[in-house]
Amino acid sequence: GIQVEQSPPDLILQEGANSTLRCNFSDSVNNLQWFHQNPWGQLINLFYIPSGTKQNGRLSATTVATERYSLLYISSSQTTDSGVYFCAVRRTGRRALTFGSGTRLQVQP
Amino acid sequence: ETGVTQTPRHLVMGMTNKKSLKCEQHLGHNAMYWYKQSAKKPLELMFVYSLEERVENNSVPSRFSPECPNSSHLFLHLHTLQPEDSALYLCASSQDQAGTTATRQRNEQFFGPGTRLTVL
Repeated sequence: GIQVEQSPPDLILQEGANSTLRCNFSDSVNNLQWFHQNPWGQLINLFYIPSGTKQNGRLSATTVATERYSLLYISSSQTTDSGVYFCAVRRTGRRALTFGSGTRLQVQP
Repeated sequence: ETGVTQTPRHLVMGMTNKKSLKCEQHLGHNAMYWYKQSAKKPLELMFVYSLEERVENNSVPSRFSPECPNSSHLFLHLHTLQPEDSALYLCASSQDQAGTTATRQRNEQFFGPGTRLTVL
């Protein structure tokens, strides 16, 4: 099956810092989503981004499908950004998402 | 209610019990999913239903039995579980454009809050 690798696995930031999370995938995809999982387990949709660049407030994401990677940028981080960030992809011809192992982000005041 | 809801949010059961998890989506979608998230493992797919038919089954033990009576409701029936089945069970839904040959179907998935299951 398709492999999804996220880096770094853990990240500690001071409030106000910027960060970049990376997602590499091993095959062609027609769906890529970024999620934030809060401490209660809820997966919150951040971006649906199979290709191109999108921005939503302090967050932005870029997917280069031909090179099989996506980046999530967090600017001016806040303590509420803490949690686990997942990248998930849908392989062409499949319905379900395959998730990476996540990046655990801790933003310290 | 909006989005995807799941009940119960927490469940503790013995290995001989029978229980059911319920998921309901209020988004008008036609595909629903069960995922399992165990400690220190990536989320993994269990079942996919599209237009109320099971279309994917990820080699899940028979002690987990899904049911999709209509496009808005999905159940996961549990019986004779093992302690290693303790996990967060997440339901999701999407609009699946079944029957098309388009390679860029937008089927963004939306997740419920999950049921945290503990098997004693």
